[in-house]
Amino acid sequence: SQTIHQWPATLVQPVGSPLSLECTVEGTSNPNLYWYRQAAGRGLQLLFYSVGIGQISSEVPQNLSASRPQDRQFILSSKKLLLSDSGFYLCAWSRGGDTEAFFGQGTRLTVV
Amino acid sequence: GENVEQHPSTLSVQEGDSAVIKCTYSDSASNYFPWYKQELGKGPQLIIDIRSNVGEKKDQRIAVTLNKTAKHFSLHITETQPEDSAVYFCAASFGGRRALTFGSGTRLQVQP
Repeated sequence: SQTIHQWPATLVQPVGSPLSLECTVEGTSNPNLYWYRQAAGRGLQLLFYSVGIGQISSEVPQNLSASRPQDRQFILSSKKLLLSDSGFYLCAWSRGGDTEAFFGQGTRLTVV
Repeated sequence: GENVEQHPSTLSVQEGDSAVIKCTYSDSASNYFPWYKQELGKGPQLIIDIRSNVGEKKDQRIAVTLNKTAKHFSLHITETQPEDSAVYFCAASFGGRRALTFGSGTRLQVQP
C-alpha cells in the first residue's frame, strides 16, 4: 500500500532563517507531488506541484521554492523565512489531476 | 479561471440532525469531485468522491450529489455524530490542470 511521510510535524523558526521540509512517498512510482499551505482557519492554497523528477510548477509567487531530487521525494525550501510564511504545510501525492490526492499529516511552521 | 466556491463556512447542528454543504465550480469540463474531512492538526482525508457520469453516490451516512447543468455538488451527512465535527473541503478537477482545486472549507460542529 502507498504511504506518505512528511516531517517535521512542528517547527519554530526565527525570521530570516532557512527552511527545509521533506516529503517522501512509498509504494508507488512516478506520482504527482504537491505542496499546499493552509493559513489558520483558511482553505488549501496550492504552492507547487511536480509531475516528474526536476519538474516543478509554481502556483503563486512567494518566498519559497520546491525541488524533486528523486521520484518520490519532494522538498519545500526557503533561504530566508518571513513572518508571513507561518502556516500549516501539507504534502500530497496523486496519480493525476483528476484522481484522489493523498495528504501527509502536515507540518505546522511558526516563524517568530 | 478555475474556481470552487463552498458554503457555508461554518455549520452547527444537533446530534442526529442532517448537515448539507454545497459547492459550485466554474469549469464545465470538470469530471472529478472529491470531499475531504480534516480533523484538527491532521491532513485532509478523502471521505467520498463522485465522477461526472454519476448523479449521486452514497456511503453509509454520507452522500454526494452532482448537478452538472448547474455546476454544483453537495455533501449530505445524515444522523450526525459528535465525531463528524471537523473541517470539510470540496474539490474539483479542471481540464488540463494537474492538481485539484479546493473550496475554502466548512467547519462543522455537531452539538451533543
